[in-house]
Amino acid sequence: ETGVTQTPRHLVMGMTNKKSLKCEQHLGHNAMYWYKQSAKKPLELMFVYNFKEQTENNSVPSRFSPECPNSSHLFLHLHTLQPEDSALYLCASSLGLAGGPGGELFFGEGSRLTVL
Amino acid sequence: TQLLEQSPQFLSIQEGENLTVYCNSSSVFSSLQWYRQEPGEGPVLLVTVVTGGEVKKLKRLTFQFGDARKDSSLHITAAQPGDTGLYLCAGDLVVGTSYGKLTFGQGTILTVHP
Repeated sequence: ETGVTQTPRHLVMGMTNKKSLKCEQHLGHNAMYWYKQSAKKPLELMFVYNFKEQTENNSVPSRFSPECPNSSHLFLHLHTLQPEDSALYLCASSLGLAGGPGGELFFGEGSRLTVL
Repeated sequence: TQLLEQSPQFLSIQEGENLTVYCNSSSVFSSLQWYRQEPGEGPVLLVTVVTGGEVKKLKRLTFQFGDARKDSSLHITAAQPGDTGLYLCAGDLVVGTSYGKLTFGQGTILTVHP
């Protein structure tokens, strides 16, 4: 139990569907992240939120839409995805921004997404 | 081009053996972290190193940060089946105040056989 909870754990969707991934952290952290983990590729940073303000969009296609209503919750809204978007989507949080003081990441267990 | 190169990508050893995993870059890190990820779970932080030449020990795991802060290594002594997993290094390659963009290596998959 890392204090970061992701739902759903598994999701199968068609290319025309709209779905959302949810992440909640109970650690009192200020920063939250979405990462994409694909086979044989390094973890890819997608979005960074600090005090619920987006500070980084790592050239992510607009079919991925993040939402951060408060410092404890982070969503990733999905629409018209492609099969190559199939991957494990990891949410993480940290007290300070990653790489800086207090920047150790605490990850959720991930949401395994399959796009048919 | 990989900013962080991990080697080897795969390692399969017998219980009791020693091993070393390497993380290299041509750039300077302001800090570097090592994570372990088990199947079906997210990565879990093992250690953070911030000072060139720093050595940190965590039971049978020894982490070293290169003097020039461009490379790091993870050494495991007397590996056990419970050490099996994906080991990831991650670094902040920007020196200064531009935090948040932690860069990950591609990982080393370690399998320790009983």
